[in-house]
Amino acid sequence: DSGVTQTPKHLITATGQRVTLRCSPRSGDLSVYWYQQSLDQGLQFLIQYYNGEERAKGNILERFSAQQFPDLHSELNLSSLELGDSALYFCASSVGGKRETQYFGPGTRLLVL
Amino acid sequence: GENVEQHPSTLSVQEGDSAVIKCTYSDSASNYFPWYKQELGKRPQLIIDIRSNVGEKKDQRIAVTLNKTAKHFSLHITETQPEDSAVYFCAASDTGNQFYFGTGTSLTVIP
Repeated sequence: DSGVTQTPKHLITATGQRVTLRCSPRSGDLSVYWYQQSLDQGLQFLIQYYNGEERAKGNILERFSAQQFPDLHSELNLSSLELGDSALYFCASSVGGKRETQYFGPGTRLLVL
Repeated sequence: GENVEQHPSTLSVQEGDSAVIKCTYSDSASNYFPWYKQELGKRPQLIIDIRSNVGEKKDQRIAVTLNKTAKHFSLHITETQPEDSAVYFCAASDTGNQFYFGTGTSLTVIP
């Protein structure tokens, strides 16, 4: 167990809908990263937050948004969902976000029907 | 942006043999290179990492080498065991804010 928690574990929804994925970092970690892992692809970096502020943005679609709250938990919002958004979404946390070990959560498996 | 390529995509070895996975990167500013192991249905877990001021790092049966000039780094697993079977990902980062991952290598260790 990495200490990073994600909810829900599984999510099934329909196209066009909106969902929110939640991540709680390890105690003491200030940085949260979000990744998307599709069946035939590796890990795609989406976005990083550090102590409540967005620090880096990767291949995140405009339909997706995220935020990190004062208690350091983070939420990833996915809207206008499409079939191709079906994937495993991981969050990871690290202490400061500077070339440090990232600890991954168990992931949320999203299925869009 | 950075582009990380990983080879091979699949690798089968006999138990006890060595396995080598190679990654190349394009951005000379990258200076942190972690390796992750992901077992089926599980989360990625860091197994070893290397920073650009070091050429090689070992941890028991696992080692990573880095060639900054050629922009490539490799994972070496010796005396492979069936429990080493998993997907391995390499990654590269410059600032630590954004990580670029390779496409993964599915390693199968045959008993």
